[in-house]
Amino acid sequence: NAGVMQNPRHLVRRRGQEARLRCSPMKGHSHVYWYRQLPEEGLKFMVYLQKENIIDESGMPKERFSAEFPKEGPSILRIQQVVRGDSAAYFCASSPPRLEAFFGQGTRLTVV
Amino acid sequence: AQSVTQPDIHITVSEGASLELRCNYSYGATPYLFWYVQSPGQGLQLLLKYFSGDTLVQGIKGFEAEFKRSQSSFNLRKPSVHWSDAAEYFCAVGARNNDMRFGAGTRLTVKP
Repeated sequence: NAGVMQNPRHLVRRRGQEARLRCSPMKGHSHVYWYRQLPEEGLKFMVYLQKENIIDESGMPKERFSAEFPKEGPSILRIQQVVRGDSAAYFCASSPPRLEAFFGQGTRLTVV
Repeated sequence: AQSVTQPDIHITVSEGASLELRCNYSYGATPYLFWYVQSPGQGLQLLLKYFSGDTLVQGIKGFEAEFKRSQSSFNLRKPSVHWSDAAEYFCAVGARNNDMRFGAGTRLTVKP
């Protein structure tokens, strides 16, 4: 059983481009979380999804950011028109119901 | 929503000394509680968890934590710190719907 897989591990985008971050949860996990970690800061909750549903997106910026977890395929965190302030490590975690979350290695986004 | 406070941003201890990292949570019901560790450039690894039962839980790498409902705390302890324990430590609280929230983290430095 492979762990939570995130790709790419590193992503470089120019200002104004789109960034797509992918997260494949562990087999059997139906809950996915996205967190952002800015340099020298802790983890900030962004969004919590179950298959085809957004449960809590209270941590997502109101503009340019969106997330989905379709019935088939990975969860996607999409950032449109990236800006320098979006540069961060983005972590995905997955869990089965009522158990602990397992984290991926993260995607490090750099906006140049 | 639930929340977590880790009062100490950075702690330095000498190798061989004891360690206690503080964690306070806010949640209306009995929470699920977790401690994760993050080594530089890596994802998060689960150290231990509390769901119910014995309030003193044992984890990996010699760590333990104690759930104190009256103090809304879940402090992490280790009797003798090793240089390899230097990392960032995150406390997390999970609600019954699996919604997890993390503290800002405590960075541990170990002096030789």
